[in-house]
Amino acid sequence: AQRVTQPEKLLSVFKGAPVELKCNYSYSGSPELFWYVQYSRQRLQLLLRHISRESIKGFTADLNKGETSFHLKKPFAQEEDSAMYYCALSIRETSGSRLTFGEGTQLTVNP
Amino acid sequence: DAGVTQSPTHLIKTRGQQVTLRCSPKSGHDTVSWYQQALGQGPQFIFQYYEEEERQRGNFPDRFSGHQFPNYSSELNVNALLLGDSALYLCASSLFTGTGGWETQYFGPGTRLLVL
Repeated sequence: AQRVTQPEKLLSVFKGAPVELKCNYSYSGSPELFWYVQYSRQRLQLLLRHISRESIKGFTADLNKGETSFHLKKPFAQEEDSAMYYCALSIRETSGSRLTFGEGTQLTVNP
Repeated sequence: DAGVTQSPTHLIKTRGQQVTLRCSPKSGHDTVSWYQQALGQGPQFIFQYYEEEERQRGNFPDRFSGHQFPNYSSELNVNALLLGDSALYLCASSLFTGTGGWETQYFGPGTRLLVL
């Protein structure tokens, strides 16, 4: 069965410091991975997806199939990056698709 | 475009009651998925509706049922409510592209259900 693990529930860094949010997955098929973010009092929104290989708000994430990881990184954290971050694995079948989420990491960027 | 909308925003019920939650997808989307997010947890997939049929289902009991209407909007029904059903219920919409499968899911603000 598929599973997504985010080992850190809480992560605190100072403004300007690098940040890395870890995500590991288990899935026997070809994975499609996402990072979603939820800012305070806002809805869950897509941050980035691995197949687009783009950088959003300075964040990047590389899929490492050997280590089954999809860690989210930013070289210089900003206070506005404080939010809840969820890693998600998309399971696509001919009948439909579903997202399997990790439990999330609450990132706090201190001034 | 208002994006995905859900109603109501909050709901309080007592054990044993039944509840109906509603979702309107993002303009241009034809598929609706429902997720349950308990406090401190990530969202868990309940089921997905496309072409007015349940296409996939997560590990939830039959007390959870749904419906999709011709205008692509959807309802989630929960019967015989338990205290453990208290959670944020999220609706997500996406578009079926044919051979490309389903595109990225976009989420609504959620309905917070409290069962007393």
